[in-house]
Amino acid sequence: SQTIHQWPATLVQPVGSPLSLECTVEGTSNPNLYWYRQAAGRGLQLLFYSVGIGQISSEVPQNLSASRPQDRQFILSSKKLLLSDSGFYLCAWGTGISYEQYFGPGTRLTVT
Amino acid sequence: DQQVKQNSPSLSVQEGRISILNCDYTNSMFDYFLWYKKYPAEGPTFLISISSIKDKNEDGRFTVFLNKSAKHLSLHIVPSQPGDSAVYFCAASEGNFGNEKLTFGTGTRLTIIP
Repeated sequence: SQTIHQWPATLVQPVGSPLSLECTVEGTSNPNLYWYRQAAGRGLQLLFYSVGIGQISSEVPQNLSASRPQDRQFILSSKKLLLSDSGFYLCAWGTGISYEQYFGPGTRLTVT
Repeated sequence: DQQVKQNSPSLSVQEGRISILNCDYTNSMFDYFLWYKKYPAEGPTFLISISSIKDKNEDGRFTVFLNKSAKHLSLHIVPSQPGDSAVYFCAASEGNFGNEKLTFGTGTRLTIIP
């Protein structure tokens, strides 16, 4: 069966520090991968998606970036965090042949 | 511009009764709709979906209804159980396979009262 992992589970970082969140998927190959953010009291906002290694599409202009160095690995990064980057970050995968997406456990990021 | 709207931020229902969660959308290109359930500090879990060619889909206690002309869908949970207490998100897709981007609503917090 497929599983999706995210780490760390929680993170507290000062403004201006770098960020690296990692997501890996097991049990499937060539998944579509997604990064979402849920800000306090808001819905899920799609940040990036990837349909293959090295292929990244950005949905929202921001100081975040994403990379997909391996088929089942998706990384969210920032060179300098802003207070507004605080939120709950979720990675998801999809098969590319159905619409359902399956989410990881999430990372709670607090920028202080 | 919020293309998927869940206008009720919260809903309380007695255990055993029916819970009805509503969702409206504005983008006429959406043709596939999903409901997710989310517990605090966890990722959303997929519940049930419906294609625009249908007006109803059932899975156990969960039924989703779609009214395309009104751009409205609803999730019915019968009977409601305490474990159903969670935040429910409605999501929609324009149906482009290979890039099935989802647009989410802001969620409705359902509380089941024992």
